This record gives sequence, structure tokens and C-alpha cells, in this order.
Amino acid sequence: SAVISQKPSRDICQRGTSLTIQCQVDSQVTMMFWYRQQPGQSLTLIATANQGSEATYESGFVIDKFPISRPNLTFSTLTVSNMSPEDSSIYLCSVDLLTDQETQYFGPGTRLLVL
Amino acid sequence: AQSVTQPDIHITVSEGASLELRCNYSYGATPYLFWYVQSPGQGLQLLLKYFSGDTLVQGIKGFEAEFKRSQSSFNLRKPSVHWSDAAEYFCAVGWMDSSYKLIFGSGTRLLVRP
Repeated sequence: SAVISQKPSRDICQRGTSLTIQCQVDSQVTMMFWYRQQPGQSLTLIATANQGSEATYESGFVIDKFPISRPNLTFSTLTVSNMSPEDSSIYLCSVDLLTDQETQYFGPGTRLLVL
Repeated sequence: AQSVTQPDIHITVSEGASLELRCNYSYGATPYLFWYVQSPGQGLQLLLKYFSGDTLVQGIKGFEAEFKRSQSSFNLRKPSVHWSDAAEYFCAVGWMDSSYKLIFGSGTRLLVRP
């Protein structure tokens, strides 16, 4: 497996502000993904982070609200923009490792509370 | 449309008892099947996976799962539950034509009675 870290681990933010979440992996990966887990809910895929190009967003998620960067193979960021209380969730990144493709491994998550 | 169903929202078992968590999926293409566990305040940990071959797969922490194509199911089992198994369990399915994307079930929360 690999060590996947996310920063910050948790945050409390004010309505209307933005938060950028970082995901770092210590191994080579092929794919990186971002998920949202709303309180008491399952995971929903936000987007696939593509290295060197624009992310691929799922239905219901847009780049203006959730801009994503992936400047290299092992690092990605997700920004939650113009936040509202409805954005309070756990945000998780996951990766497909070069040595174990088609299996997603998850980071510890970022717990976001928007007031 | 692709979907994953975990029909049990909560399950309570006594410590030492056996456990079976159900998972069914729709869509006919060849699936990749996973079980993850999420302890409170934690991320998701991979328990086991099935891609092909033997339909009974062994995972970590004494868990196993059986793929039954005829029933579109991938149920998770453990012969003797420990108190530390109390957590949320998610079944996830990917399909060969879906570019590595996973669809998650709604989860089953396991409670363990002492």
C-alpha cells in the first residue's frame, strides 16, 4: 500500500470563504480521486484529478465550486469555494497505485464544518 | 444505471457471533468488487477485493467475501466478531468500462454487543 496524507485534517470555516485541501502520496500513482461524504451518508465521487490537465467532474459538481489541481503524479488539491453550511462534509482523496491498479486507497479525510 | 445496494442500515451482533453483511449491485458488465471499513473519525480501509478467479476471497482482520454472479451479490462474512469490528462498512463496485470509478453502497453500521 502507500501512505496517503491530507491537510488539514479538520477545519471550521465561515460561510462565503474558501478552503483548499491537500492530498499527498508517498508512492507513484496512476489515478487520483476526490470524494465527498456528507454527514451520515456514503461517499460520492466529486471528480477525477488528472495530472497536467483539467479534472473530470461528476454530474452535480462543477469546477467553479470545486476547483482541483494535480501538478504532479503524487499531489493534488481540492478547493471548496464560497462555502455554505451544506458543504459541511468529510472530503476524502483516493488513489490508484501504479503497483496495484484498479484498487483505490483512501486518505484519512478532511472534516469540514461551515458555520 | 449502475447502483450498489446495502439493504441493512444497522446490524447488531454479540461479540463472538458470526456476521454477514449484504451487498448487491446492478448493471451487467464484469464488476470489480470491494469492501471497505470506516471506523469513527477515520478514513476508509480496504478489507478485501475481487477481480476474477476464486469467488471466495480472504481479506484482512479475518473477513471474507463471496462473489455470486447469479445473484449479483458480494456479501461480507466473519465467523466470530470482535468488539473492535464495530464500524461502518461500505461495499463498492467498479466496472471495466467505467474508468476506474467506484460506486459506493450506503453503508452498514455494525454494532457489537459485549
